[in-house]
Amino acid sequence: GAGVSQSPSNKVTEKGKDVELRCDPISGHTALYWYRQSLGQGLEFLIYFQGNSAPDKSGLPSDRFSAERTGGSVSTLTIQRTQQEDSAVYLCASSPVGLAGGPFQETQYFGPGTRLLVL
Amino acid sequence: QKEVEQNSGPLSVPEGAIASLNCTYSDRGSQSFFWYRQYSGKSPELIMSIYSNGDKEDGRFTAQLNKASQYVSLLIRDSQPSDSATYLCAVGTSYGKLTFGQGTILTVHP
Repeated sequence: GAGVSQSPSNKVTEKGKDVELRCDPISGHTALYWYRQSLGQGLEFLIYFQGNSAPDKSGLPSDRFSAERTGGSVSTLTIQRTQQEDSAVYLCASSPVGLAGGPFQETQYFGPGTRLLVL
Repeated sequence: QKEVEQNSGPLSVPEGAIASLNCTYSDRGSQSFFWYRQYSGKSPELIMSIYSNGDKEDGRFTAQLNKASQYVSLLIRDSQPSDSATYLCAVGTSYGKLTFGQGTILTVHP
C-alpha cells in the first residue's frame, strides 16, 4: 500500500517568501504529525493533528508557522516570510489512531520529507 | 537537561560484532519507546518499539527497557556494514508526540 507522501521533495525559496508544504498520510490514519530536522540534528516536533483538529501545536517555532488539515487527510504546513533559519528537512508522519487509542503511543510512519532551503 | 539523550558517537564496530546503543529520558510518565534508523538523506524507519520493562527481540535486534532507571537500549548482533546509519531513540507519552534524541551515528567496518 501507499506510504506517507510529501510534496515538494525539494524547495528553494528567497528570504521573505511564503512556502506551503504538503503531506498525504497513509489512508485511514487519523493522527498526523509534523517534525523538522535541521542539518545534523534530531527531529523537532512541530504539531500534531487528531482528525482535523490540532490538540498540540506547542512545537511551532513562531507565528510565521501554521498548519491545517482538511477532510481528516491531507495536511499543509505554511511558513510565512521565510527566514534562513527555517532551512531544514520537514518531515510528516502518520499513525492509525493517535491519542484516541489510549496511553500508548503508536508507531509513526514517516514520509520522505521536504528539503527546504531559504536563500 | 535534554528530554531524551543519546551519545552522538560515532560508534564504530567491526563487522560481526555487537553494537550497543543507549538512550536515557527524563519524563517518568513516558509510556512508549521506539528506535528508528535513518540513512543519510532518508527519512526515519522504525526498527523496534517497546512498551514494557525487559527485553524485546526481533531478529538481530534487541531492545531493552528499564523504566526505573529511565533507560532504553538497542543491541544489534552480528552487525553488518548495511547497519551503518544514524539511530534515533524516540520517547512517547500519552498525548501524541514523540520526543527524539539527537541520534547516534553507527559505523560498521568490514
